[in-house]
Formats: sequence, C-alpha cells, structure tokens
Amino acid sequence: QVQLVESGGGLVKPGGSLRLSCAASGFTFSDYYMSWIRQAPGKGLEWVSYISSSGSTIYYADSVKGRFTISRDNAKNSLYLQMNSLGVEDTAVYYCARGNGSAFDFWGQGTLVTVSS
Amino acid sequence: EIVLTQSPATLSLSPGERATLSCRASQSVSSYLAWYQQKPGQAPRLLIYDASYRATGIPARFSGSGSGTDFTLTISSLEPEDFAVYYCQQRSNWPLTFGPGTKVDIK
Repeated sequence: QVQLVESGGGLVKPGGSLRLSCAASGFTFSDYYMSWIRQAPGKGLEWVSYISSSGSTIYYADSVKGRFTISRDNAKNSLYLQMNSLGVEDTAVYYCARGNGSAFDFWGQGTLVTVSS
Repeated sequence: EIVLTQSPATLSLSPGERATLSCRASQSVSSYLAWYQQKPGQAPRLLIYDASYRATGIPARFSGSGSGTDFTLTISSLEPEDFAVYYCQQRSNWPLTFGPGTKVDIK
C-alpha cells in the first residue's frame, strides 16, 4: 500500500535551518510528482512547493521562495525539503503529498516544525 | 494568485441531513478543482478531483459539481464520520491554492 513517511521536523531557532525528508513506498515513486504542503497550528492548508517526477520542474510559493529548496532522489524513493532562514511564520505541520495528475491522492502523516527562540 | 473562498465557514447539521458546501474562485479554474476532508490530528484525504470525480474508495454520498468559478461539494446524508473540515484546492494556475475550509459540525 502507498505510504509516505515524513521526518526531520523539530524545534529550531529563528534564522536556523532544517531538512525534511519523506520516504515513499508502495508505488513507483519516479512516476509521480510530489509536493510539500504545510498547516500552521489551527489554520488551513498552504501549498509550499512542487517537484515533477523527474525533478526537472520545480515551483515554490512566494512565501518560501529563495529560502526553501525541494529535491528528490528517485533511486532512494525520497523527497526532501531544505528550509533555511526559518521564521516563526514557518511553524507548521509539513506534509508530503503525492500528485496523480489531478490532485493530491496520498498524504503523509506530517512532521511538525516549530520555529521559536 | 487565484483566491478560493469557501462558505459557510461553519455548517451545523445533524446526522442524516444533507450538507452543501460552496467554493468560489477569484477567476476561472475550469474544472481543475479538488475537495479534501480533514479530521483532527489527521492528514487531509482526497474526496473529489476535477470538480466531480470521486476518488478511489470515497462513498457515493459525496458528490461534486461546478466549473469555472463556482463549485459545490454535497454530502447527501451525513454519517457520524463525516463531521470534519473540508477544503477545496485549485490546480489551474501556479501557485496552487487552497480555500480556508468549511467546518461541518454536529448540531
């Protein structure tokens, strides 16, 4: 069965960095585009970044452009999000999600990133 | 950026009642709209994609309609497990955007 397992979240000080990972299993990872989507505590969903199946096409939300970098390793069935210059506004649960061409059909359980001094 | 507006913010209904949720886009998204359900402490679950197609395993009581700027998610008869927050999301333009959500709670 399809599984997406995020890791790498935690407490970080403002201005700090963190790298999130998402381990995929149960499907041919290299066939699907992926995204990171976040949810601040008690708030709605915010799309963060997209990467195509090959990794050749990448998009970012304006709120993270220049600070976050999405990448993938199809040989390792893994998705990553390098987050630099973190601010308190980046505090959220970060989900990785699989795109099926029309929508995000599978989501991980999320990893919590807390930015606080 | 395409802004999605959902109404109402909260819908208070009883089990067995019909729920009608609205999602309006600031410009046309054609039929490139999806609906997700999220329960507390859980990841979102895809319900509807491309405005009207049910995702795998989604019960028939969930249906979607609309195109252009106005969309509706209908739950024909609420089951206890349907009380949750529902989000719409467009994939017509970058950046991808979500609506603020509609909470369906028990009256």
